Amino acid sequence: EIVLTQSPGTLSLSPGERATLSCRASQGVSGSYLAWYQQKPGQAPRLLIYDASSRATGIPDRFSGSGSGTDFTLTINRLEPEDFAVYYCQQYGTSPFTFGPGTKVDIK
Amino acid sequence: EVQLVESGGGFVQPGGSLRLSCAASGFTFSSYTMNWVRQAPGKGLEWVSYISSGGGTIYYADSVKGRFTISRDNAKNSLYLQMNSLRAEDTAVYYCARAKGSDCWGQGTLVTVSS
Repeated sequence: EIVLTQSPGTLSLSPGERATLSCRASQGVSGSYLAWYQQKPGQAPRLLIYDASSRATGIPDRFSGSGSGTDFTLTINRLEPEDFAVYYCQQYGTSPFTFGPGTKVDIK
Repeated sequence: EVQLVESGGGFVQPGGSLRLSCAASGFTFSSYTMNWVRQAPGKGLEWVSYISSGGGTIYYADSVKGRFTISRDNAKNSLYLQMNSLRAEDTAVYYCARAKGSDCWGQGTLVTVSS
């Protein structure tokens, strides 16, 4: 099983700042099949990035993904108030399609 | 509008069974792989199961293997999760989600396993 580790656990930032979230895999993610999701309280997750670096439909370009192999990054430029949420990475290259534990981005 | 609507959640005693359903609309259901993902109260996301578009390929998380069965009926645009031998640790909101790199999620249905 591929174990995903996300860091930091919590990121405290101000609106307008840049957020850099890390997702590290215990072994290489096949095909860079890695996604990033945003989840707000009481809501279902929302896909932001798929295949490590492709933005999902309707996602603002302040969200970007990068990485390959075992190291992946989600960058959020110029944080907007609606961006404060929990972010999860998931690999879907090898079953089981594991999720990371999440990074909470909260307001400083 | 692309939509997924889960149903079938509820309260069940340990050892009991439930069958979850997910009704799909607004897209060609038979063309998409599907997943079940769950989230225990206050916890993170846990992938549960995957089924290919035609149903020929199925995967499970180790935590549910042998107890849960995923299936689909493409004629009815529906996805199912049969859950047997339920345990307290299966208590969660269960989501159906379209495709690997899931771009569409239902609102979730709550399953509570308790005596």
